[in-house]
Amino acid sequence: AQTVTQSQPEMSVQEAETVTLSCTYDTSESDYYLFWYKQPPSRQMILVIRQEAYKQQNATENRFSVNFQKAAKSFSLKISDSQLGDAAMYFCASLQGGSEKLVFGKGTKLTVNP
Amino acid sequence: EAGVVQSPRYKIIEKKQPVAFWCNPISGHNTLYWYRQNLGQGPELLIRYENEEAVDDSQLPKDRFSAERLKGVDSTLKIQPAELGDSAVYLCASSSRDRGPGELFFGEGSRLTVL
Repeated sequence: AQTVTQSQPEMSVQEAETVTLSCTYDTSESDYYLFWYKQPPSRQMILVIRQEAYKQQNATENRFSVNFQKAAKSFSLKISDSQLGDAAMYFCASLQGGSEKLVFGKGTKLTVNP
Repeated sequence: EAGVVQSPRYKIIEKKQPVAFWCNPISGHNTLYWYRQNLGQGPELLIRYENEEAVDDSQLPKDRFSAERLKGVDSTLKIQPAELGDSAVYLCASSSRDRGPGELFFGEGSRLTVL
């Protein structure tokens, strides 16, 4: 069974600074995907970034990048040049290859201070 | 493109009453999901549809929960009778294979409070 653990219930960052959100996962599969989803207050959850486990290169999307440590089963999200609009709940999630079932962590609430 | 639409956004009911939630997915998305998100938790899958077929309902409490997706488009999730522990946000999401694995498009959710 897949499990996803986010050990930071809350994090805060100053506007324009960098913050890293942590995530660890467990899976017995060799084919899987990892994700970070963002859930702003009272708005839809949206996909931030996706990482295929077979790719060694860390995924990046503009100011968002990941540090994928496969052996350690660690998948952290780095947000650079933080903006007020980045304030949200961030969920780490995993998906086994061939499956359609996303498994989410409990989330990290990110506050961005002006 | 229009996003996933859910209604109602908020619902307050007494325990033992029935409640229903409606979801309209993004046009052309064959896969539809219902997730439940308890306070302080991540979403948990209740049921997944491929077109009109429920292909994964292993997490749906079938004694009181039911769902349908007639004609493979809109979907309804029903709880009857509701219990206090059913208070949560019910999220609908849809996806399309051409967007790659795991990219779900979520609605804003239906927040249920059971008194």
